[in-house]
Amino acid sequence: DAKTTQPNSMESNEEEPVHLPCNHSTISGTDYIHWYRQLPSQGPEYVIHGLTSNVNNRMASLAIAEDRKSSTLILHRATLRDAAVYYCILRDVGSQGNLIFGKGTKLSVKP
Amino acid sequence: EAGVVQSPRYKIIEKKQPVAFWCNPISGHNTLYWYRQNLGQGPELLIRYENEEAVDDSQLPKDRFSAERLKGVDSTLKIQPAELGDSAVYLCASSLSRLDTQYFGPGTRLTVL
Repeated sequence: DAKTTQPNSMESNEEEPVHLPCNHSTISGTDYIHWYRQLPSQGPEYVIHGLTSNVNNRMASLAIAEDRKSSTLILHRATLRDAAVYYCILRDVGSQGNLIFGKGTKLSVKP
Repeated sequence: EAGVVQSPRYKIIEKKQPVAFWCNPISGHNTLYWYRQNLGQGPELLIRYENEEAVDDSQLPKDRFSAERLKGVDSTLKIQPAELGDSAVYLCASSLSRLDTQYFGPGTRLTVL
């Protein structure tokens, strides 16, 4: 299974943008890049996903490098409710398609 | 729309006792997953169902863990007997199909004493 590398933790100030990096140098052509986040005492929730092009939704933006070996999740204005563990996951649609979670990045947001 | 429902939310048992977790997926979701999450780690898939069939149970410790999904809707995960190392959060998730977005329940926090 292709793996991802994320920083263990990051800090942000409230109402400022946050860029969460993810490296996935062994990504294959059938891997989609997914981001989930997990708020304290809750199950993970879907944030965004993409294949090659940058993606935007109401929660965040996903910027994907041209060689697809790295990506960045962008929260445009962090709020206290965005404090969570963010997981970057490669999902291989050519096989089982299971989500393989790493340890993720713990994001702290300061008021 | 109701999300994935799990019960109980918390369970404390002594080692060697049996325990069961229940999950009700989102209506219409054919695929159901059970994950285990140890402290400080990401969730780890235990088993995946497509309707009532377990199609991926390679990570399920079959000596003590069992699962069923009756009529392709609700599911139960059982541990018998429980060991100290089974203390974790057990998460249930569902999706329309194998490659669709997964929606997670709040989990059951199991403590084995």
